[in-house]
Amino acid sequence: QVQLQESGPGLVKPSETLSLTCTVSGGSISGFYWGWIRQPPGKGLEWIGYFYPGGSSDYNRSLKSRAANSFDTSQNQFSLKLSSVTAGDTAVYYCARLKRSSSAPVPDGFDIWGQGTLVTVSS
Amino acid sequence: QSALTQPASVSGSPGQSITISCTGTSSDVGNYNLISWYQQHPGKAPKFIIFEVNKRPSGVSNRFSGSKSGNTASLTISGLQAEDEADYYCCSYVTASTYVFGTGTKVTVL
Repeated sequence: QVQLQESGPGLVKPSETLSLTCTVSGGSISGFYWGWIRQPPGKGLEWIGYFYPGGSSDYNRSLKSRAANSFDTSQNQFSLKLSSVTAGDTAVYYCARLKRSSSAPVPDGFDIWGQGTLVTVSS
Repeated sequence: QSALTQPASVSGSPGQSITISCTGTSSDVGNYNLISWYQQHPGKAPKFIIFEVNKRPSGVSNRFSGSKSGNTASLTISGLQAEDEADYYCCSYVTASTYVFGTGTKVTVL
């Protein structure tokens, strides 16, 4: 079955760029939308963005100016970069696959999730 | 985009049914049937339990059901079991190709 695994530094300094990679195993990243969601400690889920290999992408309006994504189809990976981080970006970051909808032209939910990785922003 | 509104906590005894509401606006919940629900146990990743308002992914118990009326979606858990104690989040597609999660509800089995 498809599995996702996040990787990246657990500690990032304020004003620097947070970089995370999601490695997909058990299936190809082609043909699906993929996304990132984060969860600050003790708080709720926040959608960051979703992306399609070689195609469209969109981001949470509050993060759009600082977020960027990329794909490496040869490695079956996708990545997130979040620039100019502050303590407010401290969270568990999850990568996820978006499920194709059978009745709409956009995905209808996040059906497979990675285990999450904690990123702390601190000097 | 503001988070969808959920009650902070809901509780019930084993065997009972409980319902969690998820209130949005005409730009999200009220305008699309792309409502999904997630169950999250402490320290674990969320689990996909409902999509398109009321459909269950393969392997999800039929004790979980979803519905929607106007700007409010709901998740009902029937025959409450100890293993259902977790946090639950709704999520909706929003106009202009974005998604928004709910504030989350902690379910306690008494």
